[in-house]
Amino acid sequence: EPEVTQTPSHQVTQMGQEVILRCVPISNHLYFYWYRQILGQKVEFLVSFYNNEISEKSEIFDDQFSVERPDGSNFTLKIRSTKLEDSAMYFCASRGGTGSNEQFFGPGTRLTVL
Amino acid sequence: AQKVTQAQTEISVVEKEDVTLDCVYETRDTTYYLFWYKQPPSGELVFLIRRNSFDEQNEISGRYSWNFQKSTSSFNFTITASQVVDSAVYFCALSEAIAGGGNKLTFGTGTQLKVEL
Repeated sequence: EPEVTQTPSHQVTQMGQEVILRCVPISNHLYFYWYRQILGQKVEFLVSFYNNEISEKSEIFDDQFSVERPDGSNFTLKIRSTKLEDSAMYFCASRGGTGSNEQFFGPGTRLTVL
Repeated sequence: AQKVTQAQTEISVVEKEDVTLDCVYETRDTTYYLFWYKQPPSGELVFLIRRNSFDEQNEISGRYSWNFQKSTSSFNFTITASQVVDSAVYFCALSEAIAGGGNKLTFGTGTQLKVEL
């Protein structure tokens, strides 16, 4: 069964460093998402991406964040200068297309900023 | 704006008891989707069910059942004869169906279910 994959599973970084979280969505999906979950809290929407551009973003997704689909398979989230409060689990999700409303989630990347 | 409320922060039951997890939502859209996800201790999000706003028929899948009531804006989830493996955080989520939109998911704060022997 096709699935969303994410690498790495755990990333530790120093405050102020740049990190790139990687996701491989399900191959024929068209919509891609990033969510984050601070430990013990709810899952929060960051950004949605369709047709090579951002379709919606939340207030959390400020100038420090960017997303990219550099090739036909990967979908990345970059945090330019990490802060302590960026420590969280980051989930990637993908969805097939119009009429397909289920989002399939990857296993997540746990980001720890020291 | 859309909002999902899960008032129960934590529920503890003894194995084989039935348990109902409550979910109340707010949306201005007439077309929307409701979801339940399970998050076991390992951390991944496991999809359980999706309902659209036009289908209020209750659904049963094994020990799981869902009660969708538009009149009270609720989408409650019942586990019958709970088992220790059901221990997890359960999230209710809402997605508005906006043409050309991203259909982002808005999650509730989750209910931690603990099933003990």
